[in-house]
Parts: sequence; structure tokens; C-alpha cells
Amino acid sequence: DTGVSQDPRHKITKRGQNVTFRCDPISEHNRLYWYRQTLGQGPEFLTYFQNEAQLEKSRLLSDRFSAERPKGSFSTLEIQRTEQGDSAMYLCASSLRTPVVGELFFGEGSRLTVL
Amino acid sequence: QQQVKQSPQSLIVQKGGIPIINCAYENTAFDYFPWYQQFPGKGPALLIAIRPDVSEKKEGRFTISFNKSAKQFSLHIMDSQPGDSATYFCAAIFYGQNFVFGPGTRLSVLP
Repeated sequence: DTGVSQDPRHKITKRGQNVTFRCDPISEHNRLYWYRQTLGQGPEFLTYFQNEAQLEKSRLLSDRFSAERPKGSFSTLEIQRTEQGDSAMYLCASSLRTPVVGELFFGEGSRLTVL
Repeated sequence: QQQVKQSPQSLIVQKGGIPIINCAYENTAFDYFPWYQQFPGKGPALLIAIRPDVSEKKEGRFTISFNKSAKQFSLHIMDSQPGDSATYFCAAIFYGQNFVFGPGTRLSVLP
């Protein structure tokens, strides 16, 4: 499978715990994006990388969220001290440096439930 | 200013009908306008996209109409099929980098 893969697909955690999600993009794609999607809403931009550089981070993203892409390949998104409001689907997407015809390739997402 | 507004929130049509989904934006810095389709449990996938210097684009049964002066664009699905039942998101690309998505339209096509 050469698509974007995300792990885990589902995570249930208790409030206050830390969680980490991993994204493996399509191999030749040097841009990687993280989005959050809640029920009935469109994907909300969190951050994106070009290679290993984090180029933009949403102002909506609290300091409990951190993302890395250490070698310009896979990426991790960590949420510290989770809150119930963090419950959402976390989507990873990748693209070529300049997305051709507006194409992001999304993974199937990591669903987080905070109890 | 980076918002994309989308309507309706949900839409039900009979098979063969032509559902129309509308989007509007404010920021004229947006330079590309894609539409994404999402099935339950899946990530969104690109359906069709249009540049602001083009007024209409067709790909198969899907057509985008773009009105630059009104800052509006819409998706039409010709001869809709039950398999088209999904959530549709319009989006706008900001300076070729960041994607801003609308809130989505849940389409149901009845057999």
C-alpha cells in the first residue's frame, strides 16, 4: 500500500494522559499536513511541514500539541494532558512541494476519544 | 478572512437528480479551489479543482462553476447515483500552501 498511513486508527484515553499519533506519508511527498476533524465539520488545519521544517502552525493549536518530522519522512503528533475537547479525528495528509491541482492525499485518520 | 462558507449542510436527492452545493469565500488571496469527497471512516479525497481564472470545469458527472466577482463557487453532480452519497467539502488554497476547508455538505442520493 503506497498511500498515507496513520497509526493508531483509534485511541481511547483518560483525561490528562498524553497521546501520540504517527503518520507515514507517500514516500516522494515532501509536504506533510495535520488536520483535526470533529463530527459534522470540515478538516481544521493544525500544522504542516516541508521536509523536516515545520513551516506553519495554527494559532488555534495550544501548546499542549506538538508535531515533529525529524527526518523529513514520518511525522508524529503528540497531545499532552489531553482534555475532552481534544476528542476528534486527527487526519494526516501529504503532497508534493507545490500541490498539483489542489491535491492532498489523506490518510484514514486517527480517532481520539478522551474520557 | 480565511473562512470558506458552505451550504447546504445536508442534501437529499433522488437518483438521477442534480444536487448543487455552494461555497463562498472572502479572501481574494486564495488561488485554487478544490472539492473533496469523504466516505464514512475514510479520509477526504480530491474530486475536482478549479483555478480562479476559469469559470467552469467538468470532469465526468461533476462540474464546478466559479464566479470570481461574487467570490462564490459551486459543485453540480449530474445524474446522481446512490454511490455518490458522501460528505462533500469545498476548500481554498492559500498562497499555494495552506488548505482551508468548508464545513461540509452531507449528500444522500436515494435509489
